[in-house]
Amino acid sequence: AQKVTQAQTEISVVEKEDVTLDCVYETRDTTYYLFWYKQPPSGELVFLIRRNSFDEQNEISGRYSWNFQKSTSSFNFTITASQVVDSAVYFCALNGPGGNKLVFGAGTILRVKS
Amino acid sequence: GAVVSQHPSRVICKSGTSVKIECRSLDFQATTMFWYRQFPKQSLMLMATSNEGSKATYEQGVEKDKFLINHASLTLSTLTVTSAHPEDSSFYICSVPLGGQTNPGNQPQHFGDGTRLSIL
Repeated sequence: AQKVTQAQTEISVVEKEDVTLDCVYETRDTTYYLFWYKQPPSGELVFLIRRNSFDEQNEISGRYSWNFQKSTSSFNFTITASQVVDSAVYFCALNGPGGNKLVFGAGTILRVKS
Repeated sequence: GAVVSQHPSRVICKSGTSVKIECRSLDFQATTMFWYRQFPKQSLMLMATSNEGSKATYEQGVEKDKFLINHASLTLSTLTVTSAHPEDSSFYICSVPLGGQTNPGNQPQHFGDGTRLSIL
């Protein structure tokens, strides 16, 4: 069965600090997709990134970077020089059986203080 | 601009009322949409997959007669919570997969803004 674990329930940092959000997944599929979504206090979910299982290249987008390591089944997300606007709940997700649905982790609450 | 429109954003009603939530795909046609439920400070749980022109596919443990899903057009799916009770109070979110309807779970999903349902 597919499973996503985000062990960090809540993280608090001071503005400009770097922060890494951990994501560990379990799947028996050889082809799968991993996602990160952001949910700000207003509630809507914002798509951040998708990574397929065959592409282990790390990705950087502005202050955001992602480290995908198949050997450890991890897909970690780092925010560099965090800002107050980064405060949100961040969800890691994995596409489920048959590729028809997403399985979400429990989410990590990130609080960035000024 | 918004890709997915969900309405209403908030509903407060008495126990026993049926509540309809609409999810509209604004810029493209969607044969598949997803409905999720999120309890406070918890993750999103998939309730069902809405399929245009056919019956919805419900996840295990989700009551079909309680949560009626209708996907009558390529741009609209509705979720009706029938005879709602306080335990149905939750945040309901719909999503639409982008980039094609084949293997929709592989696609980035655009989410509606959610509906906060409170049953008194």
